Amino acid sequence: DVKVTQSSRYLVKRTGEKVFLECVQDMDHENMFWYRQDPGLGLRLIYFSYDVKMKEKGDIPEGYSVSREKKERFSLILESASTNQTSMYLCASRHGTGVYEQYFGPGTRLTVT
Amino acid sequence: EDQVTQSPEALRLQEGESSSLNCSYTVSGLRGLFWYRQDPGKGPEFLFTLYSAGEEKEKERLKATLTKKESFLHITAPKPEDSATYLCAVQERKTSYDKVIFGPGTSLSVIP
Repeated sequence: DVKVTQSSRYLVKRTGEKVFLECVQDMDHENMFWYRQDPGLGLRLIYFSYDVKMKEKGDIPEGYSVSREKKERFSLILESASTNQTSMYLCASRHGTGVYEQYFGPGTRLTVT
Repeated sequence: EDQVTQSPEALRLQEGESSSLNCSYTVSGLRGLFWYRQDPGKGPEFLFTLYSAGEEKEKERLKATLTKKESFLHITAPKPEDSATYLCAVQERKTSYDKVIFGPGTSLSVIP
């Protein structure tokens, strides 16, 4: 059974803290994605990675960075958390760059106070 | 501007009352359209991929169809366990990589 796991289900951080969200997939997928999901705004792409050590900006990359040192792991970093980054963060993976479905993790509900 | 819209925003059905959800899109080069189901507090779960106009896919009480400008998710005789948010997403061809755009979702409630 395919699996995408995220390091935390719930996280509370203070403004200005550096935050790490980790995602691991066990399907040997090439592509990985980070989204945030907010009521009324739907899923918005933050960053994606086509392969190890590769990254591309999505629609809303400001205030975020990513790291992909190993194929199975994709990390999202909030350099200095702000209250407007309070959101549900979803990681996903996909087999490759063709027309393939994405597999999502359970999500991390991040609250920045 | 490329976009994906879904209607209605929310839908309440009685158990057994069939209906349809709509996903409309305006993209320049469609490569595929996906439907996902999302339960509260969880990540989206893949349901279907449709590749070209006229295509249909079925799974239990769900049937997805695709035209050149929209897709429908038909729910036949729904049960309470079908309650969830249904998301559609469109994969479009870009110059260097494909882009996937998600719609805002339709929240479905099926009342016993």
